[in-house]
Amino acid sequence: DQQVKQNSPSLSVQEGRISILNCDYTNSMFDYFLWYKKYPAEGPTFLISISSIKDKNEDGRFTVFLNKSAKHLSLHIVPSQPGDSAVYFCAASPETSGSRLTFGEGTQLTVNP
Amino acid sequence: AAGVIQSPRHLIKEKRETATLKCYPIPRHDTVYWYQQGPGQDPQFLISFYEKMQSDKGSIPDRFSAQQFSDYHSELNMSSLELGDSALYFCASSWGSGTYNEQFFGPGTRLTVL
Repeated sequence: DQQVKQNSPSLSVQEGRISILNCDYTNSMFDYFLWYKKYPAEGPTFLISISSIKDKNEDGRFTVFLNKSAKHLSLHIVPSQPGDSAVYFCAASPETSGSRLTFGEGTQLTVNP
Repeated sequence: AAGVIQSPRHLIKEKRETATLKCYPIPRHDTVYWYQQGPGQDPQFLISFYEKMQSDKGSIPDRFSAQQFSDYHSELNMSSLELGDSALYFCASSWGSGTYNEQFFGPGTRLTVL
């Protein structure tokens, strides 16, 4: 039962363009959402998060949008850079059960120079 | 800045053997989490500890046990290893166990069971 889904296993964009990574969830108890970035041979690195009381959070080139009614969130990276090439995981946590993270399957982003 | 340290980074074991994975959290972090990532899969939560007490338990097999010690490092003990236990095991640490306490991940231990 995949409670967090990233339907695109891979995404390829040109340098300087926008990258949009999508994530859907099914558990209505989730109220905190995070994006992690993972390079090969390294652990996931926290990128940006959003709580359910917001619909947008921005940090530099990274913006996360949350649509609670659709149970959908997206990560926008603009402008995309070759160094952004990595696997991006969407993760979610319900406030009531501590902070265990439920991850999506990941999306491999490739930014071409 | 100091990061989460995991040892060993790679481990090869035979079926039915035991393995111990170690995790050293970032200094002053009091919470440790363990995740298992199978080939081509997403990380799955196993277990967590806050102030040396188990705080949450996920899909951890009965063959596995874990604990957090007085210096806050944690060990994941795995017995009667099976081929399906081959995976990348991540440890993460945070200051506090609440939802909004950012989890910092270690580089992982790659366990291969032959």
